[in-house]
Amino acid sequence: DAGVIQSPRHEVTEMGQEVTLRCKPISGHNSLFWYRQTMMRGLELLIYFNNNVPIDDSGMPEDRFSAKMPNASFSTLKIQPSEPRDSAVYFCASSPLTSGTSLGETQYFGPGTRLLVL
Amino acid sequence: AQKITQTQPGMFVQEKEAVTLDCTYDTSDPSYGLFWYKQPSSGEMIFLIYQGSYDQQNATEGRYSLNFQKARKSANLVISASQLGDSAMYFCAMREIQGAQKLVFGQGTRLTINP
Repeated sequence: DAGVIQSPRHEVTEMGQEVTLRCKPISGHNSLFWYRQTMMRGLELLIYFNNNVPIDDSGMPEDRFSAKMPNASFSTLKIQPSEPRDSAVYFCASSPLTSGTSLGETQYFGPGTRLLVL
Repeated sequence: AQKITQTQPGMFVQEKEAVTLDCTYDTSDPSYGLFWYKQPSSGEMIFLIYQGSYDQQNATEGRYSLNFQKARKSANLVISASQLGDSAMYFCAMREIQGAQKLVFGQGTRLTINP
C-alpha cells in the first residue's frame, strides 16, 4: 500500500518566491496534518483538516502561509512570499480518525519536503 | 509549559543491549494518548508504539515496549536487544482529549548504537 506521498522532496528557492508543497494522504484516511520541523522549534503542527475542512490552523505562522484541501486525496501548503526563516522540513501526515474521541488513531507521516529559502 | 519532556539529547548504547529512552509529560486531562516515533537519518517519521492513559497494561510491539508510570507521568520507551538499525532520533508525543487530534512532540533523543 502506498503511504503518504509528498512532493517535491527537496526545494531550493530564493527569498520572495512562492513555494507550493503537495501532499497525497493514504487512501481512505480522512484527516490530514501539516507539520514543520526545525532544529530550534522541533516538530510543530501547522494545520489539520478533517474531511477536507480545516479544523485548527492556530499553528500557521502568519498570513504568508496558506493550506488547502480541495478533495480527499490532495492538499497543498503554500508560502508566499517565502523567507529564509521558512527553511525547514515540512511533513504531511494522515490518519483515519473521524472524530476527536479516539485517542489511539495513529498519524502516518510522509517522507517530508526539505525546503531551503536563500 | 513543556507538555512533553525528553531529557536525554543523546544516548550511546552497545549493540544487543537494552536501552530506555525517557519521556515525561504534563497534562491535566484525564484522558490522553502517548506515542513514540522513530526518525532515521533518511528523515521519515515512523510510528513505533502507542499507550492510552486508561490502558491497564504496558504496550508492547516486538522489541519495543512502553514503561508507562501514570502517577509519575512518564512513558519511557524500552528497546530490547538493540540493533545497529535502531540508531535514529526518537520522539515522544502526546494527544489529549481536549486537544482533539493535535499531537504535541518532545524535542527528541538521538540514539546511537555502537557495534
